[in-house]
Amino acid sequence: AQSVAQPEDQVNVAEGNPLTVKCTYSVSGNPYLFWYVQYPNRGLQFLLKYITGDNLVKGSYGFEAEFNKSQTSFHLKKPSALVSDSALYFCAVRGVDSSYKLIFGSGTRLLVRP
Amino acid sequence: DTAVSQTPKYLVTQMGNDKSIKCEQNLGHDTMYWYKQDSKKFLKIMFSYNNKELIINETVPNRFSPKSPDKAHLNLHINSLELGDSAVYFCASSQVARSTGGANVLTFGAGSRLTVL
Repeated sequence: AQSVAQPEDQVNVAEGNPLTVKCTYSVSGNPYLFWYVQYPNRGLQFLLKYITGDNLVKGSYGFEAEFNKSQTSFHLKKPSALVSDSALYFCAVRGVDSSYKLIFGSGTRLLVRP
Repeated sequence: DTAVSQTPKYLVTQMGNDKSIKCEQNLGHDTMYWYKQDSKKFLKIMFSYNNKELIINETVPNRFSPKSPDKAHLNLHINSLELGDSAVYFCASSQVARSTGGANVLTFGAGSRLTVL
């Protein structure tokens, strides 16, 4: 079965510092991986996805993610965090039984302090 | 212009009542979804329709019944509401990208917060 794990409930970082939000996956076959962000009282917004190709994927708002096949990881990164990046971040994987189904991780709350 | 809109945004009701949540998308997408987000923020897919055909039906009580009158609308009706149904329900839509093997990107609505007392 497909699954993703986000080992950290919360990540704290100071504004201006680099940030990493971790995600590991378990899939059979080629993984299709996604990151979404949820701001308070809002729906999820797509940040980026990995299908194939370069292991470093660039997305919205200056975020990027690095696909690492040997470590089965897809960590979200940003070189310099902003207070406005504070939100809930979800990693997701496409279900192998359906291209329509996204399976989400448990979410990681990012808190960027001024 | 809202891409995926849900109504109502908030719904407070008593146990045992029946309620509906409506969703509409103006993106021209062919697939719509209902996700449930519980109090711990965990997201789980409930249903999905592709061109009005039910394609995903997860382990959800029969009290939940989706209906898609056309591919721009997906409604969720819940009978005999229970305390455990309290959650935020998100509607989403996507257009399956055949060229990328179906790695479709979902566009979410703002959510409908259901509170059952």
